[in-house]
Amino acid sequence: SQKIEQNSEALNIQEGKTATLTCNYTNYSPAYLQWYRQDPGRGPVFLLLIRENEKEKRKERLKVTFDTTLKQSLFHITASQPADSATYLCALENPGGYNKLIFGAGTRLAVHP
Amino acid sequence: GAGVSQSPRYKVAKRGQDVALRCDPISGHVSLFWYQQALGQGPEFLTYFQNEAQLDKSGLPSDRFFAERPEGSVSTLKIQRTQQEDSAVYLCASSLRQADGYTFGSGTRLTVV
Repeated sequence: SQKIEQNSEALNIQEGKTATLTCNYTNYSPAYLQWYRQDPGRGPVFLLLIRENEKEKRKERLKVTFDTTLKQSLFHITASQPADSATYLCALENPGGYNKLIFGAGTRLAVHP
Repeated sequence: GAGVSQSPRYKVAKRGQDVALRCDPISGHVSLFWYQQALGQGPEFLTYFQNEAQLDKSGLPSDRFFAERPEGSVSTLKIQRTQQEDSAVYLCASSLRQADGYTFGSGTRLTVV
């Protein structure tokens, strides 16, 4: 079965710096991969989707890369702000034909002023 | 409504009690998912509905768990004879298109004492 690895330790960075979060997976390569943000006591919020034939995708200060050879996705937040502090979840498509997702455990990001 | 609504937000049940968790998805969203999230972990898939049809229930942990969506809109997740290991946050998500990701509710935090 698919296994997803995200850094279990919190990532602490200074405001204004670029945060980079990693998502590694084993077994099959998914047709697409998604990133979500989750705040305490809330449900995850969808941020970006990247497909297997896309190397990179951007949305405002966010950038996602997808390397199917390395079986890895990187999630970057440029010019980070304290408001970016949250847990970020990587989710992979599970083949089955109906957009079923498998989630990683998430990485907690703390941006300090 | 504008988002996915779940109720109750919190539920405390005595071991052995039956509980029912409700999900109101975004109007018009065909796909509805239930996920279970333990503390510090990512959401884990429980079951999937396409309209009123339950197409995948492979993630339900035992036959004490039952979900329905009789009219293709509101869904209910029922847990019979609750046990302490059922304590978790139960998340509902709906989806219209793959490219838009999931829209999650805020979840129901179930505590079994």
